Amino acid sequence: DQQVKQNSPSLSVQEGRISILNCDYTNSMFDYFLWYKKYPAEGPTFLISISSIKDKNEDGRFTVFLNKSAKHLSLHIVPSQPGDSAVYFCAAQEGYGGSQGNLIFGKGTKLSVKP
Amino acid sequence: NAGVMQNPRHLVRRRGQEARLRCSPMKGHSHVYWYRQLPEEGLKFMVYLQKENIIDESGMPKERFSAEFPKEGPSILRIQQVVRGDSAAYFCASSRGLAGLSGANVLTFGAGSRLTVL
Repeated sequence: DQQVKQNSPSLSVQEGRISILNCDYTNSMFDYFLWYKKYPAEGPTFLISISSIKDKNEDGRFTVFLNKSAKHLSLHIVPSQPGDSAVYFCAAQEGYGGSQGNLIFGKGTKLSVKP
Repeated sequence: NAGVMQNPRHLVRRRGQEARLRCSPMKGHSHVYWYRQLPEEGLKFMVYLQKENIIDESGMPKERFSAEFPKEGPSILRIQQVVRGDSAAYFCASSRGLAGLSGANVLTFGAGSRLTVL
């Protein structure tokens, strides 16, 4: 029933190390995948996206990898910083013929980066 | 500040009352989306609107919930006869929409309105 799954509710990482957040999906019609970060009492903020025709997209410390055959994507943060501590949501978007561009979200993974 | 503005940030209602949540999209955005986040859950899509039109309300409960985005003024999510299960954070997001878009439809979110039903 859940089209976008984040199976790890939480992740704890030491400052300076790599954080890897995982996401699985079931719908092969998704055209884009997005990652959002959310701090308490704030709205989600966009981090990075990837097209379904790509396998990697990089933006500074953030890299998203897409394995389309496995219907799996991951967000790598390196090096991790204490300010990265937040809930990370994976989201998927169908294309023009689908859900009009609205996003389907996973339940989120709470990342804690320890100094 | 040209971000997505939501108000009120916090709203307390008793069972049976009505709740109205308002959202002004980001400047230059004409597409508005409403999402609901229940405790320990992700964001669930509710409704997608353009000015004066509901484009997709497939995520909206069939009863008690309605949304509008008038020609003038903010988008409003209205919940009639609230029940305890309506307690949640309601997020509004806006975008330029898909027309002519070559990349992802990045939604910009507001800070949310937290509804508590007593």
